[in-house]
Amino acid sequence: SYVLTQPPSVSVAPGETARITCEGYKIGGKSVHWYQQKAGQAPVLVVYDDDYRPAGVPERFSGSNSGNTATLTVTRVEAGDEADYHCQVWDNSSDHPVFGGGSKLTVL
Amino acid sequence: EVQLVESGGVVVQPGGSLRLSCAASGFIFDDYAMHWVRQVPGKGLEWVSLISWDDSIIYYADSVKGRFTISRDNSKDSLYLQMNSLTTADTAFYYCAKAARTYSNFRNWFDPWGQGTLVTVSS
Repeated sequence: SYVLTQPPSVSVAPGETARITCEGYKIGGKSVHWYQQKAGQAPVLVVYDDDYRPAGVPERFSGSNSGNTATLTVTRVEAGDEADYHCQVWDNSSDHPVFGGGSKLTVL
Repeated sequence: EVQLVESGGVVVQPGGSLRLSCAASGFIFDDYAMHWVRQVPGKGLEWVSLISWDDSIIYYADSVKGRFTISRDNSKDSLYLQMNSLTTADTAFYYCAKAARTYSNFRNWFDPWGQGTLVTVSS
């Protein structure tokens, strides 16, 4: 089955740029979606189809996807961005959705 | 406002059964596929099951196949997950989530998610 690999943790200082990666075989050929999950809360969609933001998501959140790596970029990081971030794709071979292991963004 | 509210999570003994429910509102429930996704506390997300808008397509993760049954009642705007032969490995928060697009165009993302219900399997 298709595997997505994320770094367990990413740390940045306030105001800096955080980049969270999601690696998968030829992931550039798939649509990647990202969810933010704050402590004790349900996941919330922040990026879909690689680089589109749902209404209400700040422009500071953006996505890219090429080759074997997709990236969620958060610019001008704020304390409120501290959360777990999960990437997700649809695996056509199994016809199932697949999640990465999640990355904890810590704001120093 | 689109809203999903799960219920039914309790403490159950290994080998036991449980039925989760998800009440939907704020959208035309009949038009969308629905998913169950679970999360062991402190761990990542694991997709569990999918049911298409018209019940014609039902999928399960290998970890629950043969033990869990997904269903829906479009007349009640409700989604269900019947869980049998539970083990400690099934202990998790269970979320229902709506497919992003309608009808057969469900192979995409989840939006929104419910708040989750905790299932604890313990003797």
